[in-house]
Amino acid sequence: DTGVSQDPRHKITKRGQNVTFRCDPISEHNRLYWYRQTLGQGPEFLTYFQNEAQLEKSRLLSDRFSAERPKGSFSTLEIQRTEQGDSAMYLCASSYTDELQPQHFGDGTRLSIL
Amino acid sequence: KNEVEQSPQNLTAQEGEFITINCSYSVGISALHWLQQHPGGGIVSLFMLSSGKKKHGRLIATINIQEKHSSLHITASHPRDSAVYICAAEGYGGSQGNLIFGKGTKLSVKP
Repeated sequence: DTGVSQDPRHKITKRGQNVTFRCDPISEHNRLYWYRQTLGQGPEFLTYFQNEAQLEKSRLLSDRFSAERPKGSFSTLEIQRTEQGDSAMYLCASSYTDELQPQHFGDGTRLSIL
Repeated sequence: KNEVEQSPQNLTAQEGEFITINCSYSVGISALHWLQQHPGGGIVSLFMLSSGKKKHGRLIATINIQEKHSSLHITASHPRDSAVYICAAEGYGGSQGNLIFGKGTKLSVKP
């Protein structure tokens, strides 16, 4: 169990640029989740995958956001035309599909929009 | 009103004190999670409860399903317990796995 890894750890970019984050879940985990956390707040759900299928998307996920998990292993989260309000910590978690399974979190990618 | 409310928001304790953090939720749940977040962002799952009580070392989590309330207790607190503690509600069916988080309780334990 090597844990959930996220890359990069930090990303600083100018407003209007596109950014892409990667998450590598624990290899046996079918489910993969993306969350966003702003300063002083708890995380908020963005989307989740079961294997390669994206099963649910939050209303928080505007058209500028897209997530993929093409082979049911790693996932990418892309934000197009970034805005100041996109500055946040983006967290990835994974779990088994079975009921009542804990989620294992990565260390997150901190995005700062200049 | 948020679906998951925690209290207190901030808590300062002296080393050795008994600590209680409370969580109330308004949604139906399949499980209630307690998580610990250290500076820098990393989140660790502490407990997942659907009923009763769980204990791990100095940490105890309880849940009252009827009252929609859960508590996290830390006995003999230590400065290394300083972190943000977050509770999260997990829904049923199609919402299972999707967590609704509280805002967190920032705990600082002084030596």
